[in-house]
Amino acid sequence: QSALTQPASVSGSPGQSITISCTGTNSDIGNYNHVSWYQQHPGKAPKLIIYEVTKWPSGVSNRFSGSKSGNTASLTISGLQAEDEADYYCCSYTGSSTLVFGGGTKLTVL
Amino acid sequence: QVQLEESGPGLVKPSQTLSLTCTVSGDSISSGAYYWSWIRQDPGKGLEWIGYTSYSGRTYYNPSLKSRLTISVDTSKNQFSLKLSSVTAADTAVYYCTRDSGYGGSDYWGQGTLVTVSS
Repeated sequence: QSALTQPASVSGSPGQSITISCTGTNSDIGNYNHVSWYQQHPGKAPKLIIYEVTKWPSGVSNRFSGSKSGNTASLTISGLQAEDEADYYCCSYTGSSTLVFGGGTKLTVL
Repeated sequence: QVQLEESGPGLVKPSQTLSLTCTVSGDSISSGAYYWSWIRQDPGKGLEWIGYTSYSGRTYYNPSLKSRLTISVDTSKNQFSLKLSSVTAADTAVYYCTRDSGYGGSDYWGQGTLVTVSS
C-alpha cells in the first residue's frame, strides 16, 4: 500500500484559513468514509483532531474541519492561531482492513 | 482517564527481535469496543501504521511488515505486545501504542518509546 500524498508544507498568517489536502486512491479515501487527521507538535505524540472525514473528538476546536471529494480528503483550519503550528497527518482505512498514513504536512504560522 | 504506556528495550541489535509491550489503564481491552494499535515514526519523519489487534486476538498487519510481525494481546494483564523480527537500522523509530476505533481513529496514544537498532 502506498502512503497518501500530502503537501510537504503550508503556511498562513494568524486569523487566516488554510487547507491541507490528502490524496489517495479508490482503494482507500475514495471508497471509505474513514479518514482521520492528526496534529503533532514537536516531541509530542500525535493528537486526533478529525475522524470519519468530518467528526470532532471531544474537546477539539471546531476551527478544524474535514471534508472529502473523490480520492482527496482535506483539512481546513480557520482563524489560524500560533499554537496551530505543527505537523499534520491524514490517515485512511483501506480495502485490506489496514490503515495508511500520509507523509505529513508542516504548518507554519507566519 | 485512559492511559497507555509502552515498555521494552531501547536498543536492539541488527537481526534480533524487537519486543515491546503496551500497558493500558483506564479502559479494559476485554470490553471489545476498540482495536489496539502500534504505530511508529522514524526520527524526524512521518507516521507508519504497523498493525492492530482486537481483544480476541484478531490481527491486521501492514503488508510491508507482515512477514516479520506478531502482535498479541493478554487481556488478563490488560496489555498488548509487538514483536518484530530480523530488525535492521531501518526499524529505528519511536514506537507508539494507541487505542483505535478500527478505522484509523486513534484517540489515545502512549508517550512513545525510541527503539534504536544498532550493534
